[in-house]
Amino acid sequence: DSGVTQTPKHLITATGQRVTLRCSPRSGDLSVYWYQQSLDQGLQFLIQYYNGEERAKGNILERFSAQQFPDLHSELNLSSLELGDSALYFCASSWTGEGQETQYFGPGTRLLVL
Amino acid sequence: GENVEQHPSTLSVQEGDSAVIKCTYSDSASNYFPWYKQELGKRPQLIIDIRSNVGEKKDQRIAVTLNKTAKHFSLHITETQPEDSAVYFCAATFSGSARQLTFGSGTQLTVLP
Repeated sequence: DSGVTQTPKHLITATGQRVTLRCSPRSGDLSVYWYQQSLDQGLQFLIQYYNGEERAKGNILERFSAQQFPDLHSELNLSSLELGDSALYFCASSWTGEGQETQYFGPGTRLLVL
Repeated sequence: GENVEQHPSTLSVQEGDSAVIKCTYSDSASNYFPWYKQELGKRPQLIIDIRSNVGEKKDQRIAVTLNKTAKHFSLHITETQPEDSAVYFCAATFSGSARQLTFGSGTQLTVLP
């Protein structure tokens, strides 16, 4: 157990719908990273938040957005879902201090868009 | 752009043999290189990491070596066991980044009993 939690574990929805994935980082970690893992794209960085503020964006679609709340949990919102959005979505957390960039992954949310 | 290449994509070894997975990275200023193990349907789990001020790090049967000049790093697993079977990912953080990881494409390691 990494100490990072994600809900829900599984999500099945239809094209065009919107879903919200939730992540709670390890106690004391200020950074939350979101990654998408699909069969043909591997693990791709989506977005990072540090202490409530967006710090970096990767290959995140405009239909996707995220935020980090004052209690440091984060939500990833996926809208206008397409079949190709089906994937495993992981969040990871780290402290992000000097020499403290180790990222610990949550169990993931498996999204299936039908 | 930022890139991590990983080889081989699949690797089969006999139980007790050694396994080596290699990665190259594009940014000479990269300074953190973790390795993750992922079992089917599960989360990536950190198994070892190395920072650019160190050339080698070992933890029991697992070791990582880093060659900054050649911009490559390798994972070595000795005395492999069937439970080592999984997908292994290398990763790197790049200069100017917010420490997000760029991952290699993964290596499916199968340890044959």
